[in-house]
Amino acid sequence: DAGVIQSPRHEVTEMGQEVTLRCKPISGHNSLFWYRQTMMRGLELLIYFNNNVPIDDSGMPEDRFSAKMPNASFSTLKIQPSEPRDSAVYFCASSGQGYFANYGYTFGSGTRLTVV
Amino acid sequence: SQQGEEDPQALSIQEGENATMNCSYKTSINNLQWYRQNSGRGLVHLILIRSNEREKHSGRLRVTLDTSKKSSSLLITASRAADTASYFCATEGNTGKLIFGQGTTLQVKP
Repeated sequence: DAGVIQSPRHEVTEMGQEVTLRCKPISGHNSLFWYRQTMMRGLELLIYFNNNVPIDDSGMPEDRFSAKMPNASFSTLKIQPSEPRDSAVYFCASSGQGYFANYGYTFGSGTRLTVV
Repeated sequence: SQQGEEDPQALSIQEGENATMNCSYKTSINNLQWYRQNSGRGLVHLILIRSNEREKHSGRLRVTLDTSKKSSSLLITASRAADTASYFCATEGNTGKLIFGQGTTLQVKP
């Protein structure tokens, strides 16, 4: 398996533009998580899905952020409109049950977002 | 919100020495996990210890868990320059969410 795949790796956009981050989890994993990492706030859990259903989005900063998981192999995190304070590294992670349960979460390489 | 608090925030040691990092948390957990993050990279899972376990080993890593004190420690023995990274503890409770601490930055000098 190629691991959790995120795209793009880097995104530079102007304030007010829409940004879409993409994630492909590991095949067989049934949970997917979106985290944001900044120097000031560390790693923050934004939202997580279980079996493609959003379970907890209490970490989503505001209505400008939305996430979807239309199927087991794809998720998006959208920011519209983007603001400079959204600049961060956004990580997607997936985890599974049963055999996978002892191996924690598998993280993608992240998307470094810069909003200017 | 941060669940775990790690101590120290930064640690600098010589190659070959042992490195110990501590993590404290606030609420009951199902398991506690340790992750490593190299600069500019994603997080890599190191080890998972369940709430009914007290100690776990994986190669040069030793993790302990004391649920009565709500604390855990990660010991890296015979450290190498390649161990230089940030180390995070994370707790998973009944909600299924994994909440991370602020991390310990470890520098191993050759």
